[in-house]
Amino acid sequence: DAGVTQSPTHLIKTRGQQVTLRCSPKSGHDTVSWYQQALGQGPQFIFQYYEEEERQRGNFPDRFSGHQFPNYSSELNVNALLLGDSALYLCASSFTRDTQETQYFGPGTRLLVL
Amino acid sequence: AQKITQTQPGMFVQEKEAVTLDCTYDTSDPSYGLFWYKQPSSGEMIFLIYQGSYDQQNATEGRYSLNFQKARKSANLVISASQLGDSAMYFCAMRESQTIFGAGTRLFVKA
Repeated sequence: DAGVTQSPTHLIKTRGQQVTLRCSPKSGHDTVSWYQQALGQGPQFIFQYYEEEERQRGNFPDRFSGHQFPNYSSELNVNALLLGDSALYLCASSFTRDTQETQYFGPGTRLLVL
Repeated sequence: AQKITQTQPGMFVQEKEAVTLDCTYDTSDPSYGLFWYKQPSSGEMIFLIYQGSYDQQNATEGRYSLNFQKARKSANLVISASQLGDSAMYFCAMRESQTIFGAGTRLFVKA
């Protein structure tokens, strides 16, 4: 049973560039959520996708956008990168009909903005 | 507004002993879920245990149990028989419409 996968594992960008991170959910899951985790902090919710639409959004600017594909995989795009965007980006998947809606996380993508 | 508080930045425990990691939360929604995750240095968040707001009994999963005190809005994680591999960051999280995480507690297990 494949778990949540993310790519790439590490990424280095410069200020002003754009980045795309990818996530494949756990088998059987239909919902994908993205989190940003700065060093020494807990994860912060960015947004959640279900049925190819953004269902929930946290307090992040429009530079952060996403997409969900028909196979439930998802992308996170960040435009006009700032130094403060350096963080671990975590993807989590869940099954909407699971009453607990437990989220299972991928290994994350470590983004460094120089 | 939702809020999660973990007041212990770091905790030490002797191998084979039990340890309690504290978590308090604040919400006005009667329906919510509480989660604990473990994050080793590799970065991946590992789901440990879940407690629903309407669950009458405390959740247990192997060596993990959740001490749920609804009136006090606390959901402490108890790890029994600590192992060296338990050394990691531990996060408490709450789900209403969104899932929010606390700041985490770093647990050190001493041999």
